[in-house]
Amino acid sequence: GAVVSQHPSRVICKSGTSVKIECRSLDFQATTMFWYRQFPKQSLMLMATSNEGSKATYEQGVEKDKFLINHASLTLSTLTVTSAHPEDSSFYICSAREGQGVSYEQYFGPGTRLTVT
Amino acid sequence: SQQGEEDPQALSIQEGENATMNCSYKTSINNLQWYRQNSGRGLVHLILIRSNEREKHSGRLRVTLDTSKKSSSLLITASRAADTASYFCATGRTSYDKVIFGPGTSLSVIP
Repeated sequence: GAVVSQHPSRVICKSGTSVKIECRSLDFQATTMFWYRQFPKQSLMLMATSNEGSKATYEQGVEKDKFLINHASLTLSTLTVTSAHPEDSSFYICSAREGQGVSYEQYFGPGTRLTVT
Repeated sequence: SQQGEEDPQALSIQEGENATMNCSYKTSINNLQWYRQNSGRGLVHLILIRSNEREKHSGRLRVTLDTSKKSSSLLITASRAADTASYFCATGRTSYDKVIFGPGTSLSVIP
């Protein structure tokens, strides 16, 4: 099946710094990528949808200036958490979908655990 | 916003028993998917069922969909300790729409 990777898998940063998380589709071209966050023992909450070459669409309540998403190519999307605070500590998961209407399935990355100290 | 609700929130069974998890949703959907997540890990796609389908099987998994009741169930037969995980349903309103997750069911299979 299709493979999506995330880098890094774990990151610890200090409060006030920014951290970038990469999401790559390894063997297919992802026209759409999704970013989720998951707090402990909770479900995945969709943060934003990004389409290659256009601005991301953010879900209600998600600050677009804090969570910068760039989908510059068909195989790479990045999420930058700017001026991170301890409450941003979470598990961030991306997913990627090939085409529109071609495949329902989203392929999920393994996740990135962010800890802000 | 979350689309689905799942019950039970937590389920503990003995190895060999069947496990049933339910998912309800609020709006019309194009498809419903079930995922598994081991603790602190990524998601594993289990099965997708389209709105015009009523039942689907995959190995020990059986998924039903009742669009009139806006609900779905996931049955795992002959459970194994390795099935211990969190299970999420997720719905899509169209074939290419974003997928919204339910709160999940935490399944513990006791050897």
